[in-house]
Amino acid sequence: GQNIDQPTEMTATEGAIVQINCTYQTSGFNGLFWYQQHAGEAPTFLSYNVLDGLEEKGRFSSFLSRSKGYSYLLLKELQMKDSASYLCAVIDSNYQLIWGAGTKLIIKP
Amino acid sequence: DAGVTQSPTHLIKTRGQHVTLRCSPISGHKSVSWYQQVLGQGPQFIFQYYEKEERGRGNFPDRFSARQFPNYSSELNVNALLLGDSALYLCASSLETGGDVETQYFGPGTRLLVL
Repeated sequence: GQNIDQPTEMTATEGAIVQINCTYQTSGFNGLFWYQQHAGEAPTFLSYNVLDGLEEKGRFSSFLSRSKGYSYLLLKELQMKDSASYLCAVIDSNYQLIWGAGTKLIIKP
Repeated sequence: DAGVTQSPTHLIKTRGQHVTLRCSPISGHKSVSWYQQVLGQGPQFIFQYYEKEERGRGNFPDRFSARQFPNYSSELNVNALLLGDSALYLCASSLETGGDVETQYFGPGTRLLVL
C-alpha cells in the first residue's frame, strides 16, 4: 500500500525555527509537494522537490532524500500567520497525488 | 487573474439525495482534479480529467462521477448521498503541457453536509 507519515501536531514559538518531517512509501516517485492549509481554506502551494537536496524559498525551505523516502519542510522566523496545517503529497507512478494527513502547526507568542 | 472557482461554497443535503458540484479552472489550465477532504485528514483523490477525458480515478464508489466540458470546467456528481460523504470537496487545476509534473492550484472548496 501507499503511505505518507507526518506528525499530527507541532507547537513552536513566534520567531523560532521549526522542521516538519514527512516519510513516504509509494508505488513510484515523481516528486513531492508541500502545501499549506489554513483552517477552512484550500491548500496553497509551497514547494516542489523531485531531486535530492534543499530548495530554499524565502523563509521556507524543503529538503528531499529519495533513497530514504524522506522530506522535511523548514520554516524560519515563524510568524503567527504560519499557524496552519502543512500537507506533504507525493506523486506516484501513475502521476496521482498521494497526500499525508497533514501536520497542524501551532505558533505561540 | 482569477484563480480556481467552485460553486456552491456550502451545501446541505439529506441522505439519498444527489449533488452536483462545479469547478472552473484557472484560465489556460486544461486539467481538473477532484479531491475529498474529511476534517483532520489530507485530501483523497477522486478523479482527474484532462481534455475532457478521464485520466485517473481514485478508490471511490460508482456513486461518484464527473465530467469535463469543452471550456475545461468540470462537474462532480454524487448520487445516493451517505452521511459519510460529508466533507470538503476540493477542485484543483493544472496547466498540463504534456510534460512532467505540474503544480495543482486549488479552489476554495465546497463544504457538503449530509444529514
